[in-house]
Amino acid sequence: AQSVSQHNHHVILSEAASLELGCNYSYGGTVNLFWYVQYPGQHLQLLLKYFSGDPLVKGIKGFEAEFIKSKFSFNLRKPSVQWSDTAEYFCAVWMDSSYKLIFGSGTRLLVRP
Amino acid sequence: SAVISQKPSRDICQRGTSLTIQCQVDSQVTMMFWYRQQPGQSLTLIATANQGSEATYESGFVIDKFPISRPNLTFSTLTVSNMSPEDSSIYLCSVFGTGEMADTQYFGPGTRLTVL
Repeated sequence: AQSVSQHNHHVILSEAASLELGCNYSYGGTVNLFWYVQYPGQHLQLLLKYFSGDPLVKGIKGFEAEFIKSKFSFNLRKPSVQWSDTAEYFCAVWMDSSYKLIFGSGTRLLVRP
Repeated sequence: SAVISQKPSRDICQRGTSLTIQCQVDSQVTMMFWYRQQPGQSLTLIATANQGSEATYESGFVIDKFPISRPNLTFSTLTVSNMSPEDSSIYLCSVFGTGEMADTQYFGPGTRLTVL
């Protein structure tokens, strides 16, 4: 079955630490890949996306993600997190066969000042 | 991007009753999506609503429980019928963006439903 896995459910970091959140999907066809963020009390916002081209994509607020096709992965990274990055992060994959967006289980990030 | 509003933003309901959630978009869109986000969990697609045709429901969701209307290209409603505490969730409306963002889904602020 088509699925999206996020390995880290809860992550706690200190400010200035580096961040990497894992995302893997199970589908061999064409995909569009997304990371969404949900800040406390706010609605879901797009962080970045990958459709084609350079597998390293940059998003808002210093975030980036790398698509590794051979590993079916789309990990999110940030070199130095801030307290304001405290949020829940969702990986989502659009699979052309199902014509719908499938979400991972989400990762709650807490950044301590 | 698309600007999406939902009403109500939150509600507390008694079991056995029904609640209709409205979704309004600031542009005309072909497809509208309804999602559920149960407490502490991720988003699950309930159904896809196209204007002029019946909604397409995902496995585990049925029209009798979650009837959807799509009267025009900017508006949709989702009704949660005969509610039980297990229906307590955030319900979100989503659409594709326009122009350069036509391949990206945007989400409304959600309706937080608590069923007692």
